[in-house]
Amino acid sequence: QSVLTQPPSVSAAPGQKVTISCSGSSSNIGNNYVSWYQQLPGTAPKLLIYENNKRPSGIPDRFSGSKSGTSATLGITGLQTGDEADYYCGTWDSSLFYVVFGGGTKLTVL
Amino acid sequence: QVQLQESGPGLVKPSETLSLTCTVSGGSISSYYWSWIRQPPGKGLEWIGYIYYSGSTNYNPSLKSRVTISVDTSKNQFSLKLSSVTAADTAVYYCARTIFGVVNYYYYYYMDVWGKGTTVTVSS
Repeated sequence: QSVLTQPPSVSAAPGQKVTISCSGSSSNIGNNYVSWYQQLPGTAPKLLIYENNKRPSGIPDRFSGSKSGTSATLGITGLQTGDEADYYCGTWDSSLFYVVFGGGTKLTVL
Repeated sequence: QVQLQESGPGLVKPSETLSLTCTVSGGSISSYYWSWIRQPPGKGLEWIGYIYYSGSTNYNPSLKSRVTISVDTSKNQFSLKLSSVTAADTAVYYCARTIFGVVNYYYYYYMDVWGKGTTVTVSS
């Protein structure tokens, strides 16, 4: 049981847009910054978004992040087959005083 | 470009201690936090803990009694020890460079460089 809640799976057609939600509480998402990670099959996670909506160098602007209250959202536009991966949200929990992750969302590009 | 490489035994017997090392190349271990994360087969990510280059640590409460993370700045390495392992500790173990801080009471914690991961199986 993960502290942060993500949908197990989402799907969309190539070229379309998809959003992945991440729900938490005031002790984590509500009062801290959220990061997102992409894990392609058989590889290590890769940082996609940090501090809610910032992209590391090299991450295309097709990927975006937002936060409202105790929820965060990852958006991906112009879907490509290469975007098929597991996506995880993560943040610091100020009550538990450690890092919490969502359970992960598997993106399928149909 | 900073790179991280995990190393250690791929097979550990139940009740023994799992020991892994992460070697940092292409940059200094100083001035950063460093994390260990694991992923059981077919499951999601679990944060194990972090160490600051100066040696301060913080661990996942569910593992705290069994975990020790240490750093050797002279070798540009940090290490993980997990004692009294069981089959539930079978996972891919990742090390990662970590950015951690607080601004206006809001914490930010993210892992910007990851190792490729190493599979550890607990079995007799």
